[in-house]
Amino acid sequence: ELKVEQNPLFLSMQEGKNYTIYCNYSTTSDRLYWYRQDPGKSLESLFVLLSNGAVKQEGRLMASLDTKARLSTLHITAAVHDLSATYFCAVDLLPFTGNQFYFGTGTSLTVIP
Amino acid sequence: DGGITQSPKYLFRKEGQNVTLSCEQNLNHDAMYWYRQDPGQGLRLIYYSQIVNDFQKGDIAEGYSVSREKKESFPLTVTSAQKNPTAFYLCASRGSGRGSYGYTFGSGTRLTVV
Repeated sequence: ELKVEQNPLFLSMQEGKNYTIYCNYSTTSDRLYWYRQDPGKSLESLFVLLSNGAVKQEGRLMASLDTKARLSTLHITAAVHDLSATYFCAVDLLPFTGNQFYFGTGTSLTVIP
Repeated sequence: DGGITQSPKYLFRKEGQNVTLSCEQNLNHDAMYWYRQDPGQGLRLIYYSQIVNDFQKGDIAEGYSVSREKKESFPLTVTSAQKNPTAFYLCASRGSGRGSYGYTFGSGTRLTVV
């Protein structure tokens, strides 16, 4: 059974600090996605990582993928309150079938002023 | 603009009623999905469809039904057999083929049993 695990599940951090969210998955994949969800809202796509060693950055967020370790990280630099949200990673299975994703458990981030 | 539309945004169901949630997309995507999200929880797959007139059960299909008569539409019916339907329901779609990246999500429907 495929498992996608995120840690931590809950993260409270002060503004200006750095932190990393981890996404581990249990099967072979070279496609990983990060989404953001604000309270009561839908999911918004943040990053698409399509190969081993892929790194994407947008503002204070940077995502990376290590397919050999089956690990993706979402690094937050100098956190600001606007980053408070729940972050989900999601994995595509190989061989790629265009089928469903497998979502992680989510990490609820609260940035404290 | 292309996108995926869910309606209604809020829905109230009485005990024993069936209700239908609408999901329409104009992205020409082949695959469509329904997820359920409970407060503070992750996403659980209810049903998905990769082509018209075909769909598969996800992890929590009991008490739900779907149809896929048109490529653009994938309605979800929450039947009276679903004992605890209060949740946030998300519809998503994606294209087929290797060049297709990621889901596009609708804005969600919040269902409450009254």
